[in-house]
Amino acid sequence: DARVTQTPRHKVTEMGQEVTMRCQPILGHNTVFWYRQTMMQGLELLAYFRNRAPLDDSGMPKDRFSAEMPDATLATLKIQPSEPRDSAVYFCASGPARLTGRMTGELFFGEGSRLTVL
Amino acid sequence: AQKITQTQPGMFVQEKEAVTLDCTYDTSDPSYGLFWYKQPSSGEMIFLIYQGSYDQQNATEGRYSLNFQKARKSANLVISASQLGDSAMYFCAMRSTVGGFKTIFGAGTRLFVKA
Repeated sequence: DARVTQTPRHKVTEMGQEVTMRCQPILGHNTVFWYRQTMMQGLELLAYFRNRAPLDDSGMPKDRFSAEMPDATLATLKIQPSEPRDSAVYFCASGPARLTGRMTGELFFGEGSRLTVL
Repeated sequence: AQKITQTQPGMFVQEKEAVTLDCTYDTSDPSYGLFWYKQPSSGEMIFLIYQGSYDQQNATEGRYSLNFQKARKSANLVISASQLGDSAMYFCAMRSTVGGFKTIFGAGTRLFVKA
């Protein structure tokens, strides 16, 4: 059963600490997205990749956030230093880069990483 | 710039009745895709239905249908015969066909189904 795997599921940390969230996309999917969900802002797109290349990270605070795909099976989102306002659920999603036949190209989401920064 | 707008923060519907969740979008792309996802209280994101911008007919999937009005740039979700299990957050999303399938989401609508 193919699925997107995110770790950690929950993270509580103190302000100023570094936080790294990891995502294993579905095998064969070569677009990967990072979203942040908060009550006030809904689902914000932070960054996304196609074939491991970053295409758009304009949604990320550049001074503290960074996103990478060191290989096709791993995407990372790092926050350094973390702040209380970063508290949110962070979702990773993957999808196919090429649509064939009747493919709709919907995104497949991980279960999310719930981050609490004290 | 692309934008998705969901103007209903919360909606109530009586069980077994139909409900329409609104979604309007803005894009300059000639081709795009529109999606609806459901997020129950467990937090998972569940894909419901898809509409391509060139599709002539409105998409349907079981009790879900998408009322696509291209000229008005709206893609409303209609849920027929609501069930208690439909209580959830619903997100409208748009995928660009340029720039690597960038996909953005609206703010969501929380649906409450009353028994």
